[in-house]
Amino acid sequence: GAGVSQSPSNKVTEKGKDVELRCDPISGHTALYWYRQSLGQGLEFLIYFQGNSAPDKSGLPSDRFSAERTGGSVSTLTIQRTQQEDSAVYLCASSSRHNTGGFSPLHFGNGTRLTVT
Amino acid sequence: TQLLEQSPQFLSIQEGENLTVYCNSSSVFSSLQWYRQEPGEGPVLLVTVVTGGEVKKLKRLTFQFGDARKDSSLHITAAQPGDTGLYLCAGVNTGGFKTIFGAGTRLFVKA
Repeated sequence: GAGVSQSPSNKVTEKGKDVELRCDPISGHTALYWYRQSLGQGLEFLIYFQGNSAPDKSGLPSDRFSAERTGGSVSTLTIQRTQQEDSAVYLCASSSRHNTGGFSPLHFGNGTRLTVT
Repeated sequence: TQLLEQSPQFLSIQEGENLTVYCNSSSVFSSLQWYRQEPGEGPVLLVTVVTGGEVKKLKRLTFQFGDARKDSSLHITAAQPGDTGLYLCAGVNTGGFKTIFGAGTRLFVKA
C-alpha cells in the first residue's frame, strides 16, 4: 500500500485477555517504531526495529508487552494479560532510516484504539 | 533519559491572532521535527530542522531550532480555523535511531 497500515483500527477486549496488533509498514522502509498515545497526550516510545532486530526496546512498559518483526516488513505488538491501564491508541511508524545514521521522517499509521474493559 | 517539554499544553485563540509554541530539552538532538495530528489519524510531519540556529518557513508557519540544538519554536501568523490540531515536537537522538516526542500542544482556533 501507499502508507502505513494498522489493524485492527479498534479493539475492545476484556481484562486478562491477550491481544495482537499488526503493522504493515511502507514497502522498503527498514525502520519500524511502535508508540503509545493516551487520550489527548503525546507519544510514548515503546520499541524500535531496524530490519528484524530491535536495538531499542527500552520503552516497553512491562514483560507483558512484546513485539516482533518478520521479513523486514510486518510487525506485531502483543500484549498479554491486558490491564485497564493498557487502554490507549497504539501507533506504528516506519522510515527509511539508515544503519549508519541519517534519517527520514516517520510515516505513521492511523493507529489501533485499544480499550480494555 | 531524554525529555522534551512543550508549552503551552493548550491554546485557544481567535482567528487572525499570532501564536508561538515552545519545545525545550536539556538534551542535544541531531535534529528536531514538528508534526501535526488530527483526531483519529497519525501525526504528519510538518518540518525537520537540523542545523543549530536554523529557521524554516512553511507558509504562515515559522520553525526555529535553537543554537545549541536543545530547543525549538513554532510560530503561526494569522491563525486560521484549519490550523486547529495537536502539534507535536520530536527530537531525534544523536545516534540517529530514536525519535522521542513531547506531550503536544493542542491548538483551537475559533472563527
